[in-house]
Amino acid sequence: QVQLQESGPGLVKPSETLSLTCTVSGDSINKNTYFWGWIRQPPGKGLEWIGSIDYSGSIYYNASLASRVTMSVDTSKSQFSLKLNSVTAADTAVYFCARHRMVRGITYFDCWGRGTLVAVSS
Amino acid sequence: QSVLTQPPSVSAAPGQRVTISCSGASSNIGINYVSWYQQTPGTAPKLLIYENNKRPSGIPDRFSASKSGTSATLGITGLQTGDEADYYCGTWDSSLSAGVFGGGTKLTVL
Repeated sequence: QVQLQESGPGLVKPSETLSLTCTVSGDSINKNTYFWGWIRQPPGKGLEWIGSIDYSGSIYYNASLASRVTMSVDTSKSQFSLKLNSVTAADTAVYFCARHRMVRGITYFDCWGRGTLVAVSS
Repeated sequence: QSVLTQPPSVSAAPGQRVTISCSGASSNIGINYVSWYQQTPGTAPKLLIYENNKRPSGIPDRFSASKSGTSATLGITGLQTGDEADYYCGTWDSSLSAGVFGGGTKLTVL
């Protein structure tokens, strides 16, 4: 059974870089049928897709965040990571990592991490 | 402002049936598959429906969904108090090359 676990600081200062890692267990991150995604949810609000990456490094980013986002994958550690720079209070959210099935018009997130709250505050 | 439009809230009595709509456009729902998620407070979203109308293992058949044109609908029959949650639709938008979600619908079981 695949499990995902987010890790990283829970507090980031304005203008600095938010860095999170998602560790995947119970499944291979090398499967070419899956991407690995990040989704965030500001307090009391809905879900926002940030981006997704596959084992080979193919990446899709949300255009509204693309100028500030970098995603990477480390297959040797079964991890993928998110960096969001120049953060503001508007980036305060619960950040989820998830397994993302994306092929030929099909897209869904079938396994999710528990989420980690990242607050942006001085 | 979400790319997909859902009603903010719906309600129904235990045992009844409720539907939640998700409206999109030709670039997203119109040409791609829809998924649905259930989220209870403090937890991660849970996949309920994928590829428009398929249920993952373990999801009861009280949950069903359909798609027509640029809209999709989630239906829940035999409502239980445990179904109280936020429900989100999602798909891919081919014009944006992005994953998109609806704004979410809060289901209250009266």
